[in-house]
Amino acid sequence: EDQVTQSPEALRLQEGESSSLNCSYTVSGLRGLFWYRQDPGKGPEFLFTLYSAGEEKEKERLKATLTKKESFLHITAPKPEDSATYLCAVKGGGTGTASKLTFGTGTRLQVTL
Amino acid sequence: NAGVTQTPKFQVLKTGQSMTLQCAQDMNHEYMSWYRQDPGMGLRLIHYSVGAGITDQGEVPNGYNVSRSTTEDFPLRLLSAAPSQTSVYFCASSPRAQGRAFFGQGTRLTVV
Repeated sequence: EDQVTQSPEALRLQEGESSSLNCSYTVSGLRGLFWYRQDPGKGPEFLFTLYSAGEEKEKERLKATLTKKESFLHITAPKPEDSATYLCAVKGGGTGTASKLTFGTGTRLQVTL
Repeated sequence: NAGVTQTPKFQVLKTGQSMTLQCAQDMNHEYMSWYRQDPGMGLRLIHYSVGAGITDQGEVPNGYNVSRSTTEDFPLRLLSAAPSQTSVYFCASSPRAQGRAFFGQGTRLTVV
């Protein structure tokens, strides 16, 4: 069974204070690791897909990295508008799971002035 | 481009009532799925579909039915609502098995 664990549960940063969010996973045949951002009352919004260990993706102040056991979402010099819940999900290669994403419970990030 | 549209946004049901949550996508995606999101539990897969006429169960299917008669629509039916089905429901679509999922804005359902 695929599993995803995210830490910390909640993180409070001051504007400009860089940090990282962790996503540890176990999956049978990784077909993709996904990062999403979710604002209160909204659906998850896609950020990145990573497919193999060593891969990195960047978008503005966010950078996602992947190893064989975990992924990190690095936030450089965050701004208050980066406040959101960040979700990690994996898609495995098991049978009957063609469209199944397994999600972690998320990290709730608050960035203050 | 509307993406994934869910209706209604909010709903209150009495125990035992039935209802259908609507989901429509205009991106011609083959894959569609329904998730529920509960505090501390993350998003859990209820049912999914790999194309018109093909559906399958996810992690938490009990009490829910789905059908997929067209590529665009994937309604979720609650047969006899129970308080345990109080949750936020999200519909998602993706162009292929390993593709990124596009989510709707969610339906917040309360069963009293």
